[in-house]
Amino acid sequence: DAGVTQSPTHLIKTRGQQVTLRCSPKSGHDTVSWYQQALGQGPQFIFQYYEEEERQRGNFPDRFSGHQFPNYSSELNVNALLLGDSALYLCASSSLSSGNTIYFGEGSWLTVV
Amino acid sequence: DAKTTQPTSMDCAEGRAANLPCNHSTISGNEYVYWYRQIHSQGPQYIIHGLKNNETNEMASLIITEDRKSSTLILPHATLRDTAVYYCIASNAGGTSYGKLTFGQGTILTVHP
Repeated sequence: DAGVTQSPTHLIKTRGQQVTLRCSPKSGHDTVSWYQQALGQGPQFIFQYYEEEERQRGNFPDRFSGHQFPNYSSELNVNALLLGDSALYLCASSSLSSGNTIYFGEGSWLTVV
Repeated sequence: DAKTTQPTSMDCAEGRAANLPCNHSTISGNEYVYWYRQIHSQGPQYIIHGLKNNETNEMASLIITEDRKSSTLILPHATLRDTAVYYCIASNAGGTSYGKLTFGQGTILTVHP
């Protein structure tokens, strides 16, 4: 049973560009949450998707957007990249119907230059 | 989510039990206590969670005080591979903030040979 998978693992973008990160949740999970982790800090909640809708959102600007597909996989999009967007982006999956354990993927390292 | 307080760092000898404390004095009745750990550059790894009863799994034990204002994560026989940042999180597992984890700075546990 595959856990939470994310792609790509590492990428470098130029300031002003746009990036798309992808996440496949653990089998049986229908809820996907995204987190940003800057170096030396704990992960910060960006937003959560359930039934293809954004259900909760943290304190992040509209440049951060997402999508969830019918198969529960999800994308995180960041527009107009800033140097400060350089971070580890983590995807977490869960399902209320199968307990309340939340599992994380290994993350996507984004460097903005 | 209730705020949690953890020591910044702790040391433990290999083979001994590591006891990591967490204070969550403002926890509400429907908030679970979750523990995760993160090894450098990897995604957070789920360890254990509980509501009010003590819990044990293959990785660790979680002891929650009767008033639920504090808890202790116990790694019974610490190994060098247990060196990591340990996060204690109080989260409403089934309410409107389901799936949203608020990470603090965590405890850096260093296991020595």
